[in-house]
Amino acid sequence: GQQVMQIPQYQHVQEGEDFTTYCNSSTTLSNIQWYKQRPGGHPVFLIQLVKSGEVKKQKRLTFQFGEAKKNSSLHITATQTTDVGTYFCGTSYGKLTFGQGTILTVHP
Amino acid sequence: DTGVSQNPRHKITKRGQNVTFRCDPISEHNRLYWYRQTLGQGPEFLTYFQNEAQLEKSRLLSDRFSAERPKGSFSTLEIQRTEQGDSAMYLCASSSGGTGAKGNQPQHFGDGTRLSIL
Repeated sequence: GQQVMQIPQYQHVQEGEDFTTYCNSSTTLSNIQWYKQRPGGHPVFLIQLVKSGEVKKQKRLTFQFGEAKKNSSLHITATQTTDVGTYFCGTSYGKLTFGQGTILTVHP
Repeated sequence: DTGVSQNPRHKITKRGQNVTFRCDPISEHNRLYWYRQTLGQGPEFLTYFQNEAQLEKSRLLSDRFSAERPKGSFSTLEIQRTEQGDSAMYLCASSSGGTGAKGNQPQHFGDGTRLSIL
């Protein structure tokens, strides 16, 4: 089945710094979904990308899907303490196959 | 939209006992999923239903695990003869579903049932 690898595993930033997490697959993906899980919470859907080279923005968050549809990234500009949590990428074909997640901590 | 509801929130049981968890999906969603999540890992897929039909089961789902969705609404996940390795958060999610692009709808997760095996 399809697998997605996510890096880095952890990222510590100072409030105001930028943050990026990357998602990679050895196979072409039909879609990428991104979820955020706050500490002690459940995954919450952020966005889905389906087109080659697609870029979508949500306020300070920018999501990209690679031209070959084998990689994706999530970039947060000027992090805030409310951004803390684990960010997961996943690919959906009925079920969701998640990456390992990137744990983001933000120091005020 | 009352969200996905899971009960109980926490379950502590002795090794060898049977446990059952319940999930009530968002009412208009026809797809229901079960995942297992351990600390520091992403959720791992266990099984999913479209209406009352169980469409896929993970190889992770041993014979001790069974899931049902008899009326296409709520679902139960039962673990028989629990083992230490079953300790995890069990997450339920629901989505609308269909074929092609409609099959990739966002999934809405419940708060999970945390299982601890003594």
